[in-house]
Amino acid sequence: DTGVSQDPRHKITKRGQNVTFRCDPISEHNRLYWYRQTLGQGPEFLTYFQNEAQLEKSRLLSDRFSAERPKGSFSTLEIQRTEQGDSAMYLCASSLQGGTSTEAFFGQGTRLTVV
Amino acid sequence: TQLLEQSPQFLSIQEGENLTVYCNSSSVFSSLQWYRQEPGEGPVLLVTVVTGGEVKKLKRLTFQFGDARKDSSLHITAAQTGDTGLYLCAGGVTSAGNMLTFGGGTRLMVKP
Repeated sequence: DTGVSQDPRHKITKRGQNVTFRCDPISEHNRLYWYRQTLGQGPEFLTYFQNEAQLEKSRLLSDRFSAERPKGSFSTLEIQRTEQGDSAMYLCASSLQGGTSTEAFFGQGTRLTVV
Repeated sequence: TQLLEQSPQFLSIQEGENLTVYCNSSSVFSSLQWYRQEPGEGPVLLVTVVTGGEVKKLKRLTFQFGDARKDSSLHITAAQTGDTGLYLCAGGVTSAGNMLTFGGGTRLMVKP
């Protein structure tokens, strides 16, 4: 296993279109997180899954955003009716539940540009 | 709401100099991670600290977790041009699902 994988790496879309991103976590990791990072800022938490259950959603996640992890393995993040403000790097991370560490490993991200 | 403040935001130094980056919060964290991020890439984990007062060394990098687990520092000795990048601290709370709260980052440029 080579780590967390995200697809696509880059996406340019027109305002109003829907987009979907995929994340494949490290295989033995049961937790999967989505973050968003805008230029010059640190990543901001969006949502996370433990196995297939979505346990937490940030207020940043508007109704146009939906995330799934149907079989507890890969996850998808869909943005409907994209807006220019959605332009950002979308990062996925995975970790193994247990202990006191919150050690999370990130993918390379999907850079979304809404024109 | 937990917040992590990093300082400085930008740092430009000459190769061979030492530097320290600070990460401060009014909240207690179960653990704290330091990441380094290159442009257009995801953050890469450098270290995790979990015990108050803990010090970890990674070659020329020294990481410290504050006694009260509210703050951390990253010290780089004899910086090299390859150290250039964005350094991010991130804190997590086990009881809160381990979602990470990130600082705003310190952009380091090491000039030859």
